Amino acid sequence: EAGVAQSPRYKIIEKRQSVAFWCNPISGHATLYWYQQILGQGPKLLIQFQNNGVVDDSQLPKDRFSAERLKGVDSTLKIQPAKLEDSAVYLCASSLDLRHEQYFGPGTRLTVT
Amino acid sequence: AQKVTQAQTEISVVEKEDVTLDCVYETRDTTYYLFWYKQPPSGELVFLIRRNSFDEQNEISGRYSWNFQKSTSSFNFTITASQVVDSAVYFCALSVANYGQNFVFGPGTRLSVLP
Repeated sequence: EAGVAQSPRYKIIEKRQSVAFWCNPISGHATLYWYQQILGQGPKLLIQFQNNGVVDDSQLPKDRFSAERLKGVDSTLKIQPAKLEDSAVYLCASSLDLRHEQYFGPGTRLTVT
Repeated sequence: AQKVTQAQTEISVVEKEDVTLDCVYETRDTTYYLFWYKQPPSGELVFLIRRNSFDEQNEISGRYSWNFQKSTSSFNFTITASQVVDSAVYFCALSVANYGQNFVFGPGTRLSVLP
């Protein structure tokens, strides 16, 4: 069974530029998550989708971050404009439903200069 | 609000020693789920175990064992006869069962197993 796919794996941008990350979850997983993991910290949930609806986006900085999950499968996370403090690894995860364990992708390491 | 505390920031042991990683959680919900994840140097988080709040049975899987105690709100993880490959950051996590749950990770414990 294929795991969670993410691209790109690495991205370097200048502050005030925009960037987008892509995630393809495990087939059949209804729930999809985006996390931000700053070096030395645990992952912080940014947004959670159940199929193509948003379940929780309370920690998403909505003035600059946006995410969508069209057709309830793939998802994209966008940052516009980026700030220096957005430098982190962005993790995508999926699970069968809200109660089951999450399976994580390899992450995208973003560096904002 | 939910919270997970992992008081041990870093632990170093010598290979073949046993080591216990502590996890203390806070929630007002009576139905919740606890998890442990491993993040090796490669960076990808690996699921280890899930426990629901109604199942306090301890679990053993090979060299890994978990002790869930609701009375102390703890879900500790023990590695027996540690190996160098166990070196990683270990995260404890909590989710609650209501719709719109917020999945919360602890800060992690970095385990170094020395040869």
